[in-house]
Amino acid sequence: DAKTTQPNSMESNEEEPVHLPCNHSTISGTDYIHWYRQLPSQGPEYVIHGLTSNVNNRMASLAIAEDRKSSTLILHRATLRDAAVYYCIPLNYGGSQGNLIFGKGTKLSVKP
Amino acid sequence: GAGVSQSPRYKVTKRGQDVALRCDPISGHVSLYWYRQALGQGPEFLTYFNYEAQQDKSGLPNDRFSAERPEGSISTLTIQRTEQRDSAMYRCASSFTGGYGYTFGSGTRLTVV
Repeated sequence: DAKTTQPNSMESNEEEPVHLPCNHSTISGTDYIHWYRQLPSQGPEYVIHGLTSNVNNRMASLAIAEDRKSSTLILHRATLRDAAVYYCIPLNYGGSQGNLIFGKGTKLSVKP
Repeated sequence: GAGVSQSPRYKVTKRGQDVALRCDPISGHVSLYWYRQALGQGPEFLTYFNYEAQQDKSGLPNDRFSAERPEGSISTLTIQRTEQRDSAMYRCASSFTGGYGYTFGSGTRLTVV
């Protein structure tokens, strides 16, 4: 399984953009990069995923480096509700595979 | 149902008793996953199913833990002869297909006294 490195914690001000980095230098060519987040006292929640191209959805954007050894989750305008632990997870779900392996993640604090 | 349903929400049991935790996935979701989460830690993978077939049980800590999904829908995680170290939040997730867009349930908080 590809290993990931994320900052233990980050802080942001409300309404400002947040860039959450993730290093995954051992990622394989067929691993997708998934991001999940876990709000306090809740289960993990899917945020976004991508393979090579940058991806956007209503929650966030995902910027993937050209060599795929790192990626950045971008929250365009942080809100208090975005305070959570964010997990970057490489995942190969070809065939019967597909279980997410969670690391320690980045705890994001958002200040009003 | 609209989401992944887990029951019970809370379970307190005495050491040595068996417990069964239930997960009802989103209708039509092929894949079902079980995780365990200690306080302040990320979810720890236990096992997963595609339909009724258990694809990977490498995360089950020991042979006291077992899981089944006999009809490819509802799943039960069973812990026999519970120990205090089994106390944790047990979370279930389902997805339409392997690995894509998991939806997690609210979890079952197990306390072994």
